[in-house]
Amino acid sequence: QSALTQPASVSGSPGQSITISCTGTSSDVGAYNLVSWYQQHPGKAPRLLIYEVSKRHSRLSSRFSGSKSGNTASLTISGLQAEDEAHYYCCSYAGSQIYVFGTGTEVTVL
Amino acid sequence: EVQLVESGGGLVQPGESLRLSCEVFEFTFNLYWMTWVRQAPGKGLEWVASINNDGSAEYFVDAVKGRFTVSRDNAKNSLYLQMNSLKVEDTAVYFCARFGVTNGLDVWGQGTTLTVS
Repeated sequence: QSALTQPASVSGSPGQSITISCTGTSSDVGAYNLVSWYQQHPGKAPRLLIYEVSKRHSRLSSRFSGSKSGNTASLTISGLQAEDEAHYYCCSYAGSQIYVFGTGTEVTVL
Repeated sequence: EVQLVESGGGLVQPGESLRLSCEVFEFTFNLYWMTWVRQAPGKGLEWVASINNDGSAEYFVDAVKGRFTVSRDNAKNSLYLQMNSLKVEDTAVYFCARFGVTNGLDVWGQGTTLTVS
């Protein structure tokens, strides 16, 4: 039950695209297409963005997209906007009804 | 409006017990699995426990196994987290969240704070 590995921080200018990686193992990310992504602004509850690797939650902007290759999942934010500045967490099913979150990534809009 | 409201947090000493509650509104509670997630001060999210829709099965992260139990009262639209033998490292904001049909946590409460000191 080790946390999935994410970069501590990623930054980009408005309008640019950024990608956040989420690296797990063949027992979690690599084993199941059950990776979700969450956005959390300071002092707020997390918000579901992406589920089942690449499906956008209801009414989520198409600027957010998810993918997976092997043991690494990724979240891409295109057309970066000021309101995208937040922490982002991945989460993967790890079998036996156990889930594991990523270490979290702080996104800064320059 | 679909909503989750946690309560029960507070300040306790190591070794003590506390029960958190999560009341849900505006959805059919007994159709959904529920989850507790915690966040230590300045740290990331940690999945703590899940319970299936009828309360017959519970699952826990290793760090709380044997100390925490999760239960629900579908008649009262409420979820609970009983925490025993509390440790300093259990200090965190505890969120309850709904496991949606999306296989993601699609509705979250605002969190309740536990401090063990």
